Amino acid sequence: KQEVTQIPAALSVPEGENLVLNCSFTDSAIYNLQWFRQDPGKGLTSLLLIQSSQREQTSGRLNASLDKSSGRSTLYIAASQPGDSATYLCAVDNYGQNFVFGPGTRLSVLP
Amino acid sequence: GAVVSQHPSRVICKSGTSVKIECRSLDFQATTMFWYRQFPKQSLMLMATSNEGSKATYEQGVEKDKFLINHASLTLSTLTVTSAHPEDSSFYICSARDRRVPDTQYFGPGTRLTVL
Repeated sequence: KQEVTQIPAALSVPEGENLVLNCSFTDSAIYNLQWFRQDPGKGLTSLLLIQSSQREQTSGRLNASLDKSSGRSTLYIAASQPGDSATYLCAVDNYGQNFVFGPGTRLSVLP
Repeated sequence: GAVVSQHPSRVICKSGTSVKIECRSLDFQATTMFWYRQFPKQSLMLMATSNEGSKATYEQGVEKDKFLINHASLTLSTLTVTSAHPEDSSFYICSARDRRVPDTQYFGPGTRLTVL
């Protein structure tokens, strides 16, 4: 059974710092991996989708990497801003079935 | 991009009543829709997989007689919480898989259910 973990559970950084969020999964046979952002009480916003054949994806200040063999993904946020404060969820797609979500990392970027 | 809507966005009901939540894919057909539940400060947990024209598949621990799922068309799935209790209060999110692009899943905005 696929399990997804995320480290750290919470992170507080001053504005302008670069930061890395980590995601680990137990079964490397995944279809793709996706990073989401969730603001309090809101739904999910998809940030980056990495196919199983890809190693990284970039969008603006965000860069996500995928290492299937080791069961790891990282989300790199450059030059963090207070508006980046949210919970970041990592989810793996089990071969076209459902997503399995990690518990999330709660990020606070202080002005 | 593709849009998935949910209605209502918020609902408050009394214990013992039933609540129906709709999930619609607005500009694509979805043969498969998923229902997730999120308790406060926890991540999303899959409740059930809904396939158009067939019975939903429920995850272990989810009562199928309590959480009725109907996927009557390629653009609509409904989740009915029957005889709601305060412990059913949660954030319910649906997602839909585009039949033309099966590796992509779009999420709805969620429905916050509060049972008094």
